[in-house]
Amino acid sequence: DIQMTQSPSSLSASVGDRVTITCRASQSISRNLNWFQQKPGKAPKLLIYAVSSLQSGVPSRFSGSGSGTDFTLTISSLQPEDFATYYCQQSYSTPYTFGQGTKLEIK
Amino acid sequence: QVQLEESGGGLVKPGGSLRLSCAASRFTFSDYYMSWFRQAPGKGLEWVSCISHTGQTIYYADSVKGRFTISRDNAKNSLFLQMNSLRDEDTAFYYCARESYGTRAFDYWGQGTLVTVSS
Repeated sequence: DIQMTQSPSSLSASVGDRVTITCRASQSISRNLNWFQQKPGKAPKLLIYAVSSLQSGVPSRFSGSGSGTDFTLTISSLQPEDFATYYCQQSYSTPYTFGQGTKLEIK
Repeated sequence: QVQLEESGGGLVKPGGSLRLSCAASRFTFSDYYMSWFRQAPGKGLEWVSCISHTGQTIYYADSVKGRFTISRDNAKNSLFLQMNSLRDEDTAFYYCARESYGTRAFDYWGQGTLVTVSS
């Protein structure tokens, strides 16, 4: 199975900050890397697919980059609604696996 | 707007069975691969199973293989997960999700249904 390792596991930041979350795969997954946002009591929401493609309706302050095994999610200027948990997920091969999550909290 | 609605969750004793359903609407269900995911309370996300648009290709996570069965009825726009021999560790919110055509990304999710396995 492909292991996905996210860092940090939690992060405190302020509105307006630039934030970066990293995700590392245990083997190359090409560009089969997606990012999700999840708020308490809600289903995950797709933000970024195929490393860097912005899902329809997602604000442009979200961006993704990387290739092979190392990937990043960047939020250019945090907004109050961005405080949530973020997960990376590989869709290169089954079992599809997720990172352990990064909880983004208000400083 | 695409809609997915899970049902069938509830409280069940260890060793028991439960069948989850996912009703799909506002898209051509028969064109899409579908998956089930789960999330234990306060924990991370876990992929459970997926099924091709025709139902001919199916994969399972090792944690549920031999106990869970995924199926679909394209005529009724419905996805199912039959869960047998349930264990305490199967307690979780279960989500169905659509796999976006060509991108392998899960673009729409249901709201989830809670399965609690407890004596």
